[in-house]
Amino acid sequence: DADVTQTPRNRITKTGKRIMLECSQTKGHDRMYWYRQDPGLGLRLIYYSFDVKDINKGEISDGYSVSRQAQAKFSLSLESAIPNQTALYFCATSDSGVNVHGYTFGSGTRLTVV
Amino acid sequence: QKEVEQDPGPLSVPEGAIVSLNCTYSNSAFQYFMWYRQYSRKGPELLMYTYSSGNKEDGRFTAQVDKSSKYISLFIRDSQPSDSATYLCAMSTLNTGNQFYFGTGTSLTVIP
Repeated sequence: DADVTQTPRNRITKTGKRIMLECSQTKGHDRMYWYRQDPGLGLRLIYYSFDVKDINKGEISDGYSVSRQAQAKFSLSLESAIPNQTALYFCATSDSGVNVHGYTFGSGTRLTVV
Repeated sequence: QKEVEQDPGPLSVPEGAIVSLNCTYSNSAFQYFMWYRQYSRKGPELLMYTYSSGNKEDGRFTAQVDKSSKYISLFIRDSQPSDSATYLCAMSTLNTGNQFYFGTGTSLTVIP
């Protein structure tokens, strides 16, 4: 099984609909992140969480919300989807140790808003 | 100005060539430097990371950091078709709690 699992892998939704993307991890990492990836813009941070009680906005949080249900679960919601939220969404995790070892990414959710 | 700049390519080379991928950055506080490889329809995977300046080698891959020039490079020797992917640089300061700033990625194709 993958260390970081994202569901669904692909989703098409209509403008105005609420949608939730889910992420679960078996890495035992404290820190979890949601990024979106767009051509020419790269990876941009939406929200991040350093533990269950800690939620922080990233660079582009408007129109999104998150929930950290447990250490291993971090979900991203689009309250009212709009077409410019069409993108590839990645969940990532990292540990909180002194030595930085980078992120472990999930395989992504391709979201299309029509 | 973006904190991290990376030429998007695309870059196309013949098998066996030496590939050079580069990023520049503006924040002199960056201390950790990483390279990720992303295959089509997959999430990025960590390829190499270095701390501060210097070189690091791992098999066919060499990462270089020049903090005085705010410039990092990834070299791939004896490139293989399996190296065809998008390569993203990422960097972080010590005080941002593992938040990384990513380049936009360079698309590489190695032609057999």
